[in-house]
Amino acid sequence: EDQVTQSPEALRLQEGESSSLNCSYTVSGLRGLFWYRQDPGKGPEFLFTLYSAGEEKEKERLKATLTKKESFLHITAPKPEDSATYLCAVQPASGGSYIPTFGRGTSLIVHP
Amino acid sequence: EAGVTQSPTHLIKTRGQQVTLRCSPISGHTSVYWYQQALGLGLQFLLWYDEGEERNRGNFPPRFSGRQFPNYSSELNVNALELEDSALYLCASSSSGQGHEQYFGPGTRLTVT
Repeated sequence: EDQVTQSPEALRLQEGESSSLNCSYTVSGLRGLFWYRQDPGKGPEFLFTLYSAGEEKEKERLKATLTKKESFLHITAPKPEDSATYLCAVQPASGGSYIPTFGRGTSLIVHP
Repeated sequence: EAGVTQSPTHLIKTRGQQVTLRCSPISGHTSVYWYQQALGLGLQFLLWYDEGEERNRGNFPPRFSGRQFPNYSSELNVNALELEDSALYLCASSSSGQGHEQYFGPGTRLTVT
């Protein structure tokens, strides 16, 4: 069974204080790993797809990296508007289902 | 480009009633997914439709059902509502089921009293 564990569950940062969110996964062959941002009461917003170990993607203050067992979402000099829950999901390469398994998310609060 | 749309935004129903939620995918996307997100819990996969066919189903009872129309829009039906069905129901679409990221709609907040 595919599993995704995100840590920490919650993170409070001061504006400008860089940090990283972790997504550990076990999957029978990885087709893709996705990062999403979700604001309270809204649908998740797609951020990145990573396909293979060593791959990196960047968008503004966010940078996602991937190894064979985990992914990190690095947040550089965060701003209060970066406050949200960040979700990680893995899509299996085998079995034909292609249904991503989502983690519970990391709730990030950035204080001004 | 218009994103995924869902209706209604909010619903309040009574135990035992039935509800229908609607979703329109991004233009050109043929796959539609339904998820349930209960308060404090992660996204739980409900159903996947592609090209009008149900391709996969999550671990939910048969009273959760749906369909996909020729224009790729989709409906989620929930019969005999229970209190624990209260959740945010999210629809997502992708250009195909195979290895493509999903784009989510704003969700429908269902409250069962």
